[in-house]
Amino acid sequence: KAGVTQTPRYLIKTRGQQVTLSCSPISGHRSVSWYQQTPGQGLQFLFEYFSETQRNKGNFPGRFSGRQFSNSRSEMNVSTLELGDSALYLCASSLDTRTGIQYFGAGTRLSVL
Amino acid sequence: GEDVEQSLFLSVREGDSSVINCTYTDSSSTYLYWYKQEPGAGLQLLTYIFSNMDMKQDQRLTVLLNKKDKHLSLRIADTQTGDSAIYFCAVVVSGGYNKLIFGAGTRLAVHP
Repeated sequence: KAGVTQTPRYLIKTRGQQVTLSCSPISGHRSVSWYQQTPGQGLQFLFEYFSETQRNKGNFPGRFSGRQFSNSRSEMNVSTLELGDSALYLCASSLDTRTGIQYFGAGTRLSVL
Repeated sequence: GEDVEQSLFLSVREGDSSVINCTYTDSSSTYLYWYKQEPGAGLQLLTYIFSNMDMKQDQRLTVLLNKKDKHLSLRIADTQTGDSAIYFCAVVVSGGYNKLIFGAGTRLAVHP
């Protein structure tokens, strides 16, 4: 069974640009969550989608948005990039909403210059 | 809000046992997890424990949960150089569906 797939693995953007990251969950998983990992702030929850609806949101500005498609694939978008958005963005998928057992992808490393 | 704390660094000799500790604040956390991250990689789920359990063993891994003290530990028996990585403790926020709150991670260094 294929794991969580994130594309692209690496991205370099400049300040002010926007970026879209993609995540394909494990087959059958309907919940997709996004996390940002930085050396200073550690791992922080961005948002979670379940059946195409945002079910939970972390404490990030509105420049960070996401969506989920009917096949459970998810995208997150960051507009007007800032230097501080440089991070590893991790996507996780989950089958069981009770246990919250989440399986993570390899991440997309975003560098903002 | 929920807070999860871990010590930042642990150094052990190959073949010894490693014990990584974690404390959390939300007593209603029902599911607690340990993830491993190797350089340049994502997070690998190592094991998890439900709040109605005190201990869980999975091959070389033993998880102990002290609900009274809100303390979680991960013991790795016969630690190998391949166990060198960052280990994250994470808890599910009560009522937060799949929202995980992570500790800062413990960097485990295994030396010969």
